[in-house]
Amino acid sequence: KAGVTQTPRYLIKTRGQQVTLSCSPISGHRSVSWYQQTPGQGLQFLFEYFSETQRNKGNFPGRFSGRQFSNSRSEMNVSTLELGDSALYLCASSLANRQGGETQYFGPGTRLLVL
Amino acid sequence: AQSVTQPDIHITVSEGASLELKCNYSYGATPYLFWYVQSPGQGLQLLLKYFSGDTLVQGIKGFEAEFKRSQSSFNLRKPSVHWSDAAEYFCAVVPLYGQNFVFGPGTRLSVLP
Repeated sequence: KAGVTQTPRYLIKTRGQQVTLSCSPISGHRSVSWYQQTPGQGLQFLFEYFSETQRNKGNFPGRFSGRQFSNSRSEMNVSTLELGDSALYLCASSLANRQGGETQYFGPGTRLLVL
Repeated sequence: AQSVTQPDIHITVSEGASLELKCNYSYGATPYLFWYVQSPGQGLQLLLKYFSGDTLVQGIKGFEAEFKRSQSSFNLRKPSVHWSDAAEYFCAVVPLYGQNFVFGPGTRLSVLP
């Protein structure tokens, strides 16, 4: 079974621009979660989508948004980029047939650099 | 405050030596517990997980972890470290009442030849 894929793998943007990252989960997985990883803050949960609905949300500003399509693929969007948005963005998928405790499988991440 | 702690930011061990990475959590009930490993520039790979049952859990790559309820700990161990184990290790927790993961700050492991 193919793993979680994320595109693009690397991105360079300038302040004020917006960016869209894509994640394709493992086949059959219905939940997709997004995380931001930075050296200073570590791994922080952004949001989780399940069956095209946002089921959980972390503590990030509204500039960070996401969506999930009927095939479970997910995108996240960051508008009005700031220097502090430079990070590795990780996507994880799980079966999530029940809430809590489902193992998450991670993609390789998209590294975003904001200049 | 509810949290996951990994007290060691960086550990260096010699190849062939034993390893223990610490993880403590502060949640009222026993959460679901995970250990992930991240190689440079890569995503996270699941090493092992604990949901319930036997408190000693076996994982991939020769790793094991022991859940100790009395100490709110879930320490990761390996009897003999290989150079390829050099990476960053993250302990993660899912509280029973929610589904989002909470990650510890990570422990970077260096392995000396």
